[in-house]
Amino acid sequence: DTEVTQTPKHLVMGMTNKKSLKCEQHMGHRAMYWYKQKAKKPPELMFVYSYEKLSINESVPSRFSPECPNSSLLNLHLHALQPEDSALYLCASSQSTGTAYGNEQFFGPGTRLTVL
Amino acid sequence: DAKTTQPNSMESNEEEPVHLPCNHSTISGTDYIHWYRQLPSQGPEYVIHGLTSNVNNRMASLAIAEDRKSSTLILHRATLRDAAVYYCTPSGEGFGAGTRLTVKP
Repeated sequence: DTEVTQTPKHLVMGMTNKKSLKCEQHMGHRAMYWYKQKAKKPPELMFVYSYEKLSINESVPSRFSPECPNSSLLNLHLHALQPEDSALYLCASSQSTGTAYGNEQFFGPGTRLTVL
Repeated sequence: DAKTTQPNSMESNEEEPVHLPCNHSTISGTDYIHWYRQLPSQGPEYVIHGLTSNVNNRMASLAIAEDRKSSTLILHRATLRDAAVYYCTPSGEGFGAGTRLTVKP
């Protein structure tokens, strides 16, 4: 199984809502990533988890809260978002972090988030 | 992270080879060079990676300059399904602007 799954595919939420995005992989990968992608732009790295511990936070606002309950699951909790947070949120996984041994990332299809 | 420079867009005719360049002059000595592509309405997809030697796989070839400051992704025979945004990422964890490849029938 070389698939990264993400749920939901689409999400519409108000600025006062609390919601969560979920990501799952069963490839035994120990690194997982959250990216944000605006239309016509490249993915922007948000968070990196390595062995279930947060290793990189790219100065993401606290209204985004990542969680890695186990090595297969990655969540992104959303609270008090702004309309400008509307984007495609991508999850990825790799065997480990860094590229010293060519750890290619496998991406999910993304969750398209709209904040009203 | 190494900074990358890629053409914003390129065009190719179907069945012809395509050479997609990337400059990564600040790459560190141990960083692999990864290429991904993103088809419309999909997440990025791994294409190929290499360190120093040229690499081939079923999707593409990767030619790496001797000084490792640049690389070229080679699609030997472009098809309409190869139309995508191609990203070169030496750091492995950050994407540059990418090259939008259009393939004309």
